[in-house]
Amino acid sequence: GAVVSQHPSWVICKSGTSVKIECRSLDFQATTMFWYRQFPKQSLMLMATSNEGSKATYEQGVEKDKFLINHASLTLSTLTVTSAHPEDSSFYICSARPHYGYTFGSGTRLTVV
Amino acid sequence: GESVGLHLPTLSVQEGDNSIINCAYSNSASDYFIWYKQESGKGPQFIIDIRSNMDKRQGQRVTVLLNKTVKHLSLQIAATQPGDSAVYFCAEREEGNTPLVFGKGTRLSVIA
Repeated sequence: GAVVSQHPSWVICKSGTSVKIECRSLDFQATTMFWYRQFPKQSLMLMATSNEGSKATYEQGVEKDKFLINHASLTLSTLTVTSAHPEDSSFYICSARPHYGYTFGSGTRLTVV
Repeated sequence: GESVGLHLPTLSVQEGDNSIINCAYSNSASDYFIWYKQESGKGPQFIIDIRSNMDKRQGQRVTVLLNKTVKHLSLQIAATQPGDSAVYFCAEREEGNTPLVFGKGTRLSVIA
């Protein structure tokens, strides 16, 4: 089946540094990828829609200068959390659409200390 | 029984019993619905889906029911097993290449 590979699975960073999360579609081309954030005991909240070769579309309340999204190829989208702060600690998950349905990455647990 | 509070609502069931997890959605334009299972520290795992032109779909041990009139979705798990313990989310989508919107989620706890 269609697989989205997400890395890293977890990362701990110092406050003020930046962290990059990668999502790759392994056996299909993903012109669109979706990025979600999930806080403990809560649901997945859509952050942005990443489009290959164009600017991402951000949901209301999500700072585009803080959460930089790059979708430079049909198989790779990256989310960079810039100047991370403890409140950015969360579980970040990407999703893409193969021919049918949606497939999700395994998630990245970000802890900012 | 089911409890709702500041945390995810929890449904506790005895092993072997049937489980019913409910979800209310708000977007009448949604045409596609999916149930996901999420275990701690992992991404969502597809369980079953249903399109808006159907009201019932069955899989292996799972059944999804869709009531568009009251915008309600349910997931039935037959003969619930300890391995079914997880958080379950419903997700909906409008027609087209649009993102999934997730419901609040329910934690299913199976008592052996």
